[in-house]
Amino acid sequence: AQTVTQSQPEMSVQEAETVTLSCTYDTSESDYYLFWYKQPPSRQMILVIRQEAYKQQNATENRFSVNFQKAAKSFSLKISDSQLGDAAMYFCALISRETSGSRLTFGEGTQLTVNP
Amino acid sequence: DTGVSQDPRHKITKRGQNVTFRCDPISEHNRLYWYRQTLGQGPEFLTYFQNEAQLEKSRLLSDRFSAERPKGSFSTLEIQRTEQGDSAMYLCASSLRRAHPGANVLTFGAGSRLTVL
Repeated sequence: AQTVTQSQPEMSVQEAETVTLSCTYDTSESDYYLFWYKQPPSRQMILVIRQEAYKQQNATENRFSVNFQKAAKSFSLKISDSQLGDAAMYFCALISRETSGSRLTFGEGTQLTVNP
Repeated sequence: DTGVSQDPRHKITKRGQNVTFRCDPISEHNRLYWYRQTLGQGPEFLTYFQNEAQLEKSRLLSDRFSAERPKGSFSTLEIQRTEQGDSAMYLCASSLRRAHPGANVLTFGAGSRLTVL
């Protein structure tokens, strides 16, 4: 079975500062993708960033970047220059070709607060 | 096309009643997914369709749950004889089919929140 664990239920950051959200996962597959999704209050979940396991280079999307440590099965999200609009629940998720089918496995989420 | 639409956004019902949720995906997306999210948890997969065919169902989808996508466009999720444990947010998402499941970019709707009294 695949699992995704987010050990930080809540995090806070000052506006313009940097914050890192942690995620660990477990899968026996070698062919998989990892994702970070953002879910603002009462709004739909949106994709922040994704990483293909075969790619060694860490993915970046503007102020968002990941630290993908494949051997350690760790996938953290770094948010630079935090903005008030970054406040949301963040979910780490995993999908693999063989065992997932088309289902994403999500972690429990980290609630991020951005303080002005 | 403004995204994935779900209706109703919030449903309050009494235990034992039937409820139905509707999802309208992005029109060109041939895949449609249902997830359930309980308070403080991440979403859990329920089922997905490719066009009108239901290709995968989770064991979470008990026989009280049924999902359809009759013409490969909108989908409905019906819960019969609701129980208090069914209280959750029901999320719909859609995507195009890609060669690798990880290459699919899911577009989520805002969800339908069910409260069973």
